[in-house]
Amino acid sequence: KAGVTQTPRYLIKTRGQQVTLSCSPISGHRSVSWYQQTPGQGLQFLFEYFSETQRNKGNFPGRFSGRQFSNSRSEMNVSTLELGDSALYLCASSLAISYTDTQYFGPGTRLTVL
Amino acid sequence: AQSVTQLDSQVPVFEEAPVELRCNYSSSVSVYLFWYVQYPNQGLQLLLKYLSGSTLVKGINGFEAEFNKSQTSFHLRKPSVHISDTAEYFCAVKGDYKLSFGAGTTVTVRA
Repeated sequence: KAGVTQTPRYLIKTRGQQVTLSCSPISGHRSVSWYQQTPGQGLQFLFEYFSETQRNKGNFPGRFSGRQFSNSRSEMNVSTLELGDSALYLCASSLAISYTDTQYFGPGTRLTVL
Repeated sequence: AQSVTQLDSQVPVFEEAPVELRCNYSSSVSVYLFWYVQYPNQGLQLLLKYLSGSTLVKGINGFEAEFNKSQTSFHLRKPSVHISDTAEYFCAVKGDYKLSFGAGTTVTVRA
């Protein structure tokens, strides 16, 4: 079974631009979560989607948004990019949103903001 | 709310020696505990998890962890490491909808 895939793997943008990252979950998984990883803040939860609805959101500004499609694929968007948005963005999928469901991670998208 | 503290930021170890990575957590509710590994330029790979049952959990690549509720710990161990175990290791707790991660422990295995 194929794992979680994320595209693109690398992105370079300039301040003020916007960016869209894509995540395809493991087949049969219906929940997708997004995390931001930076050297200073570590791994932080962004949001979680299930059945095309955002179920939970972390403590990030409104510039960070996302959506989920009927096939469970998810996208996240960051508008008006800032230098501090440079990070590895990780997507994780799980079967559903039960507390016991294990999250499986993709390889991440490395975003660099210049 | 829950939080995780990984007590060692860096652990150097010689090949074929044992290694222990320490993880303490805090939570006001029942928790589920995980260890993930991250190799350079890659995402997170699940090593093992504790959901319930036996407090000694065995994972992939020869790793195991022990859940200790009274000490709120979930330490990771491997009896004999290889060069290929060089990576960053993250302890995580799930007490509600999201994973809360520790800051990570970098393990460097030397020949």
